[in-house]
Amino acid sequence: GIQVEQSPPDLILQEGANSTLRCNFSDSVNNLQWFHQNPWGQLINLFYIPSGTKQNGRLSATTVATERYSLLYISSSQTTDSGVYFCAVKRSQAGTALIFGKGTTLSVSS
Amino acid sequence: NAGVTQTPKFRVLKTGQSMTLLCAQDMNHEYMYWYRQDPGMGLRLIHYSVGEGTTAKGEVPDGYNVSRLKKQNFLLGLESAAPSQTSVYFCASSPGGRNTEAFFGQGTRLTVV
Repeated sequence: GIQVEQSPPDLILQEGANSTLRCNFSDSVNNLQWFHQNPWGQLINLFYIPSGTKQNGRLSATTVATERYSLLYISSSQTTDSGVYFCAVKRSQAGTALIFGKGTTLSVSS
Repeated sequence: NAGVTQTPKFRVLKTGQSMTLLCAQDMNHEYMYWYRQDPGMGLRLIHYSVGEGTTAKGEVPDGYNVSRLKKQNFLLGLESAAPSQTSVYFCASSPGGRNTEAFFGQGTRLTVV
């Protein structure tokens, strides 16, 4: 099956710092999503980005499908950004499922 | 607009007991999924369905059964619960076709003692 690798596994930041999270995948995909799991366990949809670049406030994401990676940028981080960030992908082949990476745990301190 | 709703939110089972987790979506989505989340393991796919009446195994299907008798519902069953099935279970759904963005329920925390 498809492999999804996220890096770094852990990230510790001071409030106001910027960060880049990476997701590498091993096959062609027609879906790539970034999620934030908050401290209460909820999975929040951040971006649906099988290709291209999107921005939402302080967060932006870029997927280069031909090179099989995606990047999530967090600027001016806040303590509320803490949690686990997951990348998930779905292969282009019909009938396949959404597969998750192991996540990046972000801790932002004030 | 409820989105994806999981029932129950919490449950404690004794080893050997059975139970069914219900996932309901009101977005007319074709695909539905069940995942489990364990510390340090991310979300692992248990079973999924690409349409009413269909099911397929994921990465960790052993000990679970599923049914998709109605398009809007996806049931996850544990026939004989084991402590290794203590986990947080998430259900998700996504449209068919070219738009495949998935949406998740709030999770079910299951403890097997």
